Amino acid sequence: GDSVTQMEGPVTLSEEAFLTINCTYTATGYPSLFWYVQYPGEGLQLLLKATKADDKGSNKGFEATYRKETTSFHLEKGSVQVSDSAVYFCALSAVTSNTGKLIFGQGTTLQVKP
Amino acid sequence: SAVISQKPSRDICQRGTSLTIQCQVDSQVTMMFWYRQQPGQSLTLIATANQGSEATYESGFVIDKFPISRPNLTFSTLTVSNMSPEDSSIYLCSVVRQKPESGANVLTFGAGSRLTVL
Repeated sequence: GDSVTQMEGPVTLSEEAFLTINCTYTATGYPSLFWYVQYPGEGLQLLLKATKADDKGSNKGFEATYRKETTSFHLEKGSVQVSDSAVYFCALSAVTSNTGKLIFGQGTTLQVKP
Repeated sequence: SAVISQKPSRDICQRGTSLTIQCQVDSQVTMMFWYRQQPGQSLTLIATANQGSEATYESGFVIDKFPISRPNLTFSTLTVSNMSPEDSSIYLCSVVRQKPESGANVLTFGAGSRLTVL
């Protein structure tokens, strides 16, 4: 079945460091891909998405490119801030927009130190 | 984006008891979705709640353990029945919303209800 694999955390970085969180997926067909973020004490929020191959999703300085050839959707940010400390989830949806079933990765905790 | 309110935000429960989680959305939606996030693990869809019909459960989840109500288009409840410590999780309500700027459909989550079963 469909699945998502993320790099294990926690990832600990100093402020202004470059961030990469790896995400690979297995799916039939052509899924949409997402990154969600969960800040401490809050619910999940959509960070960015991409719906087809070579699409680049971007938001708040974060980027991820849908790579069909490598089945990957790695999250990157050029310069992290302490406020980026959160848990990041990669997810895919291979179904229509009217359903709410997402397959999530296990989450990667990011800690940014001043 | 959608405003989704869940109650309780957290609770500590005794083994064998049941707890009902409420989810209120700020506008009408056809489907509401209940997810579970076990400690240190990813999110898993429990069921889809449709107004006017029985909920649709994912593999591994059954109605007797997780009964769901959907009395109207803005409200749903999830009950965790006969709880055991293995039910300690964050339970999240979610809906699909269309982003006005792009027209894209995205899954929007409530803040979750953190249950600890002793």
